[in-house]
Amino acid sequence: KAGVTQTPRYLIKTRGQQVTLSCSPISGHRSVSWYQQTPGQGLQFLFEYFSETQRNKGNFPGRFSGRQFSNSRSEMNVSTLELGDSALYLCASSFRDSPREQFFGPGTRLTVL
Amino acid sequence: EDKVVQSPLSLVVHEGDTVTLNCSYEVTNFRSLLWYKQEKKAPTFLFMLTSSGIEKKSGRLSSILDKKELFSILNITATQTGDSAVYLCAVESPGTYKYIFGTGTRLKVLA
Repeated sequence: KAGVTQTPRYLIKTRGQQVTLSCSPISGHRSVSWYQQTPGQGLQFLFEYFSETQRNKGNFPGRFSGRQFSNSRSEMNVSTLELGDSALYLCASSFRDSPREQFFGPGTRLTVL
Repeated sequence: EDKVVQSPLSLVVHEGDTVTLNCSYEVTNFRSLLWYKQEKKAPTFLFMLTSSGIEKKSGRLSSILDKKELFSILNITATQTGDSAVYLCAVESPGTYKYIFGTGTRLKVLA
């Protein structure tokens, strides 16, 4: 069974631009979570989607948004990029609702110049 | 505020040593705890623990959860250089649909 896939794998943007990242979960998984990973803050929860509904959102500004489609694929968008948004963005999918094992994709490395 | 604390922050051992990594948590109404191994890429799932006192084992790795004392340990026996990585634990409270991660323990195994 194919794992979680994320595109693109690497991205370089400049301040003020916006970016869209994509995540395709493991087949049959309906829950998708997004995390931001930085050296200083570790893994920080961004949001979680299940059946196209956002069930929770982390403490990030409104510039960070996401959505999930009917096929469980998910996108996250960051508008008006700031230097501090440079990070590894990880997506994880789960089959069960709770308790649930989460399986991570390879991540998208975003660099903001 | 819910939090997860891992110790030690880093550890250097020699091949063949046994290591114990700690994860303590303060979360409201604990549901489950996950352990991950992260090398220079995305975290790889190791174990999920939901019940106290039950040991999960996979080869040289094992983990146990103590829900009363609010901690978990990850043991690695007969360490190998390939075990060098950051080990992360994460805890979920029911109904929150999010995992809170600790900052990880960086393990380096010397040949």
